[in-house]
Amino acid sequence: DTAVSQTPKYLVTQMGNDKSIKCEQNLGHDTMYWYKQDSKKFLKIMFSYNNKELIINETVPNRFSPKSPDKAHLNLHINSLELGDSAVYFCASSLTPGGNTIYFGEGSWLTVV
Amino acid sequence: GDSVTQMEGPVTLSEEAFLTINCTYTATGYPSLFWYVQYPGEGLQLLLKATKADDKGSNKGFEATYRKETTSFHLEKGSVQVSDSAVYFCALRSGNTPLVFGKGTRLSVIA
Repeated sequence: DTAVSQTPKYLVTQMGNDKSIKCEQNLGHDTMYWYKQDSKKFLKIMFSYNNKELIINETVPNRFSPKSPDKAHLNLHINSLELGDSAVYFCASSLTPGGNTIYFGEGSWLTVV
Repeated sequence: GDSVTQMEGPVTLSEEAFLTINCTYTATGYPSLFWYVQYPGEGLQLLLKATKADDKGSNKGFEATYRKETTSFHLEKGSVQVSDSAVYFCALRSGNTPLVFGKGTRLSVIA
């Protein structure tokens, strides 16, 4: 069973659309994250949730809204998509906010055209 | 803030060559250090980690030693294979902060 799973893996959509990426972890972890990897492969934290509560919110446009219905799920909704949103989005989880090892999903390749 | 600097790629090696990918860091306190690997078209996988000075992380023939005196965590492998071709990311974590990644180093191994 995949520990951190995210869907969809590939998403091509037009500018201005609204889309969501879903993430689920079956590791029993309390903490979940969204990272963005740009075209140059640079990875940067976007959000972190602990037990459904937002604990880290980096400088990310308001068009990005994470939602955590329970501690095993952290979904990412993006409004009014722009060309610059094209990237790979990685969901991740760790046992606690200070939990040593962070486990990543396989990534969601978003292309905005 | 915390940061990670790793050598620019791409690195191209012949099979069975020795690999070193340099990584240095800046952090307050005593971070844990990680190497993650991303194979083509796949997500990030933890390759190895070290949580305190002089620890050596190892996995799949790769090794890295946490050097506090030089703030380094260089990745090494004695004999690379074509299947090692991937992007390698050095990362650190201090306390409850999220992972901070280096910019990644692409490795291509040719037969």
